Amino acid sequence: GQSLEQPSEVTAVEGAIVQINCTYQTSGFYGLSWYQQHDGGAPTFLSYNALDGLEETGRFSSFLSRSDSYGYLLLQELQMKDSASYFCASQPDSSYKLIFGSGTRLLVRP
Amino acid sequence: EAGVTQFPSHSVIEKGQTVTLRCDPISGHDNLYWYRRVMGKEIKFLLHFVKESKQDESGMPNNRFLAERTGGTYSTLKVQPAELEDSGVYFCASSQAASGNTIYFGEGSWLTVV
Repeated sequence: GQSLEQPSEVTAVEGAIVQINCTYQTSGFYGLSWYQQHDGGAPTFLSYNALDGLEETGRFSSFLSRSDSYGYLLLQELQMKDSASYFCASQPDSSYKLIFGSGTRLLVRP
Repeated sequence: EAGVTQFPSHSVIEKGQTVTLRCDPISGHDNLYWYRRVMGKEIKFLLHFVKESKQDESGMPNNRFLAERTGGTYSTLKVQPAELEDSGVYFCASSQAASGNTIYFGEGSWLTVV
């Protein structure tokens, strides 16, 4: 089977750092992606990890440990506009098809 | 460059009726995907086109759903007859194989079956 687990909700203060974890169980695994979705909007690609380690893109970083079937998204210097849902998604094969987690709703407070 | 566009953005139909959703991928993208999010659950894969060919339709829930991509450009997803449990957001996404693993999503078609 295919499943990804992530917390349903996280709250943090503006300017702080927050980490959203994702554990996965998939029959095949090519990599882990992260998507951001504001209410009513399109899921937007944030980052992708195929190899172990940290990928940094501006204020956002993503980490993957294939041996632990675990990854996380790190958001630094939180801004109010970062309030959104964040989805981890695994790529089970080379087709770029994605298996999504249920999403983490991030609320950034002033 | 235009993104992935979907039509209609919202649709309310009665149980038993037919609805056709349309997706225009980013120009030049060979890969087109349909996904669905039902009742706040996870976004689930429905099917994948490479140009006009169905590469993977393992996520299609049943034979009431029919997807086409004639000519390898835009795609349609028809639900006939619609049932209450079909309500949700239907996302279309596209990607160009050469672009790596970035998949671009549309804003979704919100379907409510009453």
